[in-house]
Amino acid sequence: KQEVTQIPAALSVPEGENLVLNCSFTDSAIYNLQWFRQDPGKGLTSLLLIQSSQREQTSGRLNASLDKSSGRSTLYIAASQPGDSATYLCAVYNNNDMRFGAGTRLTVKP
Amino acid sequence: DGGITQSPKYLFRKEGQNVTLSCEQNLNHDAMYWYRQDPGQGLRLIYYSQIVNDFQKGDIAEGYSVSREKKESFPLTVTSAQKNPTAFYLCASINEGHGYTFGSGTRLTVV
Repeated sequence: KQEVTQIPAALSVPEGENLVLNCSFTDSAIYNLQWFRQDPGKGLTSLLLIQSSQREQTSGRLNASLDKSSGRSTLYIAASQPGDSATYLCAVYNNNDMRFGAGTRLTVKP
Repeated sequence: DGGITQSPKYLFRKEGQNVTLSCEQNLNHDAMYWYRQDPGQGLRLIYYSQIVNDFQKGDIAEGYSVSREKKESFPLTVTSAQKNPTAFYLCASINEGHGYTFGSGTRLTVV
């Protein structure tokens, strides 16, 4: 059974700092990996989707990488802003099943 | 715009009562999913449906039921058998080339 782990569970940084969120998974036979953002009391907003054949995806200040062989993905946020404060979840998809990590709660202080 | 609509946003259930959460999508996605989210925990799969008139149990299906009579709709019923239903419920659909799309969620509280 696929297990997804996100480290750290919480992170607090000053505005303007670059940061990295980590996601690891136990079964490397994934179809894709997706990073989401969740604001308190809200649904999940998709940030980046990486297909299994890809190694990274970029959108604005966000860059996500995927290393299937080591079972790892990272989400890099450049020049963080207070508006980036949210919980970030990664999820891996294979065999008609998507497994989620528990998330990293990010706080960016002005 | 295409998307997933969940209703209601807030729902209160009395002890012993069944309640139904609505999930509607206009994305033309075949597969739909229901997840439960508890504070500080990841999402746990309740039920999913790959096609109309077919659905499968997820990890925590006990106390829940679903139907899939139309491609666009995948309602979730929380029955009286679910002893701890207070949680945030999220519905999603998937296009494998574009990943998951989620609704805005329903917060269910037992009163």
